[in-house]
Amino acid sequence: GENVEQHPSTLSVQEGDSAVIKCTYSDSASNYFPWYKQELGKGPQLIIDIRSNVGEKKDQRIAVTLNKTAKHFSLHITETQPEDSAVYFCAALGGSWGKLQFGAGTQVVVTP
Amino acid sequence: DAGVIQSPRHEVTEMGQEVTLRCKPISGHNSLFWYRQTMMRGLELLIYFNNNVPIDDSGMPEDRFSAKMPNASFSTLKIQPSEPRDSAVYFCATTQWADTGELFFGEGSRLTVL
Repeated sequence: GENVEQHPSTLSVQEGDSAVIKCTYSDSASNYFPWYKQELGKGPQLIIDIRSNVGEKKDQRIAVTLNKTAKHFSLHITETQPEDSAVYFCAALGGSWGKLQFGAGTQVVVTP
Repeated sequence: DAGVIQSPRHEVTEMGQEVTLRCKPISGHNSLFWYRQTMMRGLELLIYFNNNVPIDDSGMPEDRFSAKMPNASFSTLKIQPSEPRDSAVYFCATTQWADTGELFFGEGSRLTVL
C-alpha cells in the first residue's frame, strides 16, 4: 500500500518568513495529493490539492509543487502569519479507491 | 450546510463500557469515512462506506470495533468493550466523490477510556 513520509515534524518560523513542508510517497500510481490544515480542537480542513498531471499550483500565499519522478511534493507558505499556526498534513491517493494515506503531520508555529 | 456533525464531542468512560460515536454526513455526500487520531499513530482510516455499504474495514483494529450506516444520513462507530488504548480522537469525514479525495471532516469525538 501507499506510504507517505512528512518532514519536518515541527517547524517554527518568524512572522513574515516562508515555511516549507516536504512529503514523499511510495506508490507511483498515486495521482492526487491534498494538503490539510488542522487547528486545535478541530478536524482537518483541505487547503490546497494537486493532481499528478500538474507540477505546481498556487492559491494566494500557499503553493504546492509535485515531482512525480522523485515521488515527492511540497507545501510552501509565504509571508506567514500567526493564524497559519496549525498542524499540516499531506496525503496521497492512489491504488485503492477512496483511501487517502496521510503523512504524520507538521506542527507549524508562527511567532510574531 | 452545517457540515459533518459528530456527537458526542467528548466522552469519558471506564474500561469495559460500551461507547457509541455518531456522525451525520453532509447532505448529498455518498462516501463516509471513520478515522482515529492519536499522537503515536497519526490519522488512521478505520472503515469507509460508499452509498451506505461498507467498502473496506481493514483498518478496524479488532472485533471490539464495529460501524454501521443504516441510511445516508447517519453512521455509528461502536466500541464494546472499550479499553484505555482506545483513547483517541475519532473523526468522521464525508465526500461526494471518493475518487477525488477531498474529505470534509467533522470536529471529532474525543474519547477517554479510564
